[in-house]
Amino acid sequence: QQQVKQSPQSLIVQKGGISIINCAYENTAFDYFPWYQQFPGKGPALLIAIRPDVSEKKEGRFTISFNKSAKQFSLHIMDSQPGDSATYFCAASMLGGFKTIFGAGTRLFVKA
Amino acid sequence: DAGVTQSPTHLIKTRGQQVTLRCSPKSGHDTVSWYQQALGQGPQFIFQYYEEEERQRGNFPDRFSGHQYPNYSSELNVNALLLGDSALYLCASSLVAAANYGYTFGSGTRLTVV
Repeated sequence: QQQVKQSPQSLIVQKGGISIINCAYENTAFDYFPWYQQFPGKGPALLIAIRPDVSEKKEGRFTISFNKSAKQFSLHIMDSQPGDSATYFCAASMLGGFKTIFGAGTRLFVKA
Repeated sequence: DAGVTQSPTHLIKTRGQQVTLRCSPKSGHDTVSWYQQALGQGPQFIFQYYEEEERQRGNFPDRFSGHQYPNYSSELNVNALLLGDSALYLCASSLVAAANYGYTFGSGTRLTVV
C-alpha cells in the first residue's frame, strides 16, 4: 500500500533521444508526486512534481504524465543529454503527511 | 543562499559504537527529515522534526533517535551500530506549511560500519 514501484532499473539512451521512466502506486491517498535527480556523491534534487488534478506537467525538457485511474505516472526527458546521466527517483506523499515514499530509482546513462 | 549542510561527509565506525550526524536546514526552512539510503536503493524515511519534536517515524528501531534545536538544526543519533546501518544518511529540509512541496536535500553523510 505504501510502495512506489519504479521501472526500469537502468536505462541507456542515445543523445537526443527520449528517456522514459515509469512509476506505479497503490495508495489513492497520495496526492503529491515529485521526481528527484541524484548525481553520484550528492543528495537528491527536486526536478519536477505533479498533483493528481492534472494529467501532465512540463518544465523545459522534463514532462510528467499522470494517469490517475491507472495509478501510474511517468517522467519523460526529451532531447536527452549526457549531462542528464544520473539516478532518477519517483516519489509520493500524502496531503498532511510527513513522509515521502521513494521508488527504488532508475540509473540513466545518455550516450554521446 | 546556503542549502542544507550535513556533517561529517564520511564516517567509519565500529560495530556496537554510537554515532551522531548533524544537519543545518536551508535558510527559511523549519522542518527537518532524515532518510537512510542504502547502496542502489531509494531513500527510506527515518523521522521528521518540527518545533523540536518528532512528528512521525518510519520503520526504524529505537536505536535511531534525533533532536532538533531552536535554530532548526538537527542531529541523528544511532546507537549500537550494526553492519547493516552502513548507508548514506540524508537530511532534507522543508517548510512545514509546504510539506507537500518537496524537499531540499543535503549531500549526505556516508556511514560505514566495520
